[in-house]
Amino acid sequence: QKEVEQNSGPLSVPEGAIASLNCTYSDRVSQSFFWYRQYSGKSPELIMSIYSNGDKEDGRFTAQLNKASQYVSLLIRDSQPSDSATYLCAVNMDFGNEKLTFGTGTRLTIIP
Amino acid sequence: SQTIHQWPATLVQPVGSPLSLECTVEGTSNPNLYWYRQAAGRGLQLLFYSVGIGQISSEVPQNLSASRPQDRQFILSSKKLLLSDSGFYLCAWRRPGPTNEKLFFGSGTQLSVL
Repeated sequence: QKEVEQNSGPLSVPEGAIASLNCTYSDRVSQSFFWYRQYSGKSPELIMSIYSNGDKEDGRFTAQLNKASQYVSLLIRDSQPSDSATYLCAVNMDFGNEKLTFGTGTRLTIIP
Repeated sequence: SQTIHQWPATLVQPVGSPLSLECTVEGTSNPNLYWYRQAAGRGLQLLFYSVGIGQISSEVPQNLSASRPQDRQFILSSKKLLLSDSGFYLCAWRRPGPTNEKLFFGSGTQLSVL
């Protein structure tokens, strides 16, 4: 069964520090990768997408992809209390597949 | 711009009662539509997806069904709810085509079956 795995946490990070969230996936041919942020009781919100090996930066967020290791990560610099949420990793497995497979999410808490 | 509407926001239903959740998308044509469920403390589980009117793919066998009577309308139904149907139901859409198309969610329905 094709899977996306994340450490469920909770991950506690001091305000101003770097939060590092990790995700591994089982299908080597996966093409596209997404990070969603979900506040408690709310729907997931897309914050980053990455399709090629390497780093992609958007403001305080950096997504890192290593297809050989089947590993994708999200770094949050200068963490703020408003970053406290659950972060979901999503992977589109199988070329041409119309579905995203989600991890169970990592709960991040930023400590003021 | 595209928007997705999902209702109701919360719902409390007795076991054995029927269910109908509706989702509509505006500002795009022929979207792919999805129903996900998120049980307490668990990840997002894909229930159904649709690539066109009347085309429904079921991912998980259960007592739920889905229909797409119009291009931008997606309905999740049940004839008789079970306790295990409780959860946070999310409708989502994406453009069809390349796998790098992003998925966007509605605001969700919190369903409690008592």
